[in-house]
Amino acid sequence: DIQMTQSPSSLSASVGDRVTITCRASQSISSSLNWYQHKSGKAPKLLIYTASSLQTGVPSRFSGSGSGTDFTLTISSLQPDDFATYFCQQSDRTPLTFGGGTKVEIK
Amino acid sequence: QVQLQESGPGLVKPSETLSLTCTVSSGSISSYYWSWIRQPAGKGLEWIGRMFTSGSTNYNPSLKSRVTMSVDTSKNQFSLKLTSVTAADTAVYFCARDYTGWYYFDLWGRGTPVTVSS
Repeated sequence: DIQMTQSPSSLSASVGDRVTITCRASQSISSSLNWYQHKSGKAPKLLIYTASSLQTGVPSRFSGSGSGTDFTLTISSLQPDDFATYFCQQSDRTPLTFGGGTKVEIK
Repeated sequence: QVQLQESGPGLVKPSETLSLTCTVSSGSISSYYWSWIRQPAGKGLEWIGRMFTSGSTNYNPSLKSRVTMSVDTSKNQFSLKLTSVTAADTAVYFCARDYTGWYYFDLWGRGTPVTVSS
């Protein structure tokens, strides 16, 4: 199975900060990497698919980059609604696997 | 807008079968791929498997011997059965839609917690 390692596991940031979360795959997955936002008790939300494509309706402050084994999710200017857990998922091959998540908290 | 809602018993005894249903509302279940994903408390997400509404399935090898997924298009529901459960199967279970077939999920349910305990 492809292992997905996310870092950091948590971070504290202020509104307006630029936030970067990384995801590393244990082997090359081309651009088959997706990012989600999850708030406790709510349905996870797709933010970015195939590494850099913004899902319809997702604010443009979210962006994704990377290919091969190293990927990044960037929030250009953190907003109050963005405090949540973010996780990555590889869709290169089954079984699909997920990163451990990054909890973004208010500083 | 389309919504997914998981339902089923919150408590299952060890060695018994866990049965969950995902109901699709405000949209059709047909012609999409549907997955089950779970998250044990304090741990990462685990993909259980997916099925297409034609009936074709793809299960995680780690669970394949115990998993069955099915769909009822007349009820707009798809289901998960996991046999011979143990405490390790305690988790929040999510259903999710794969709109494109490219193994990522554009729509999720809120999840339903399942505890395996006697």
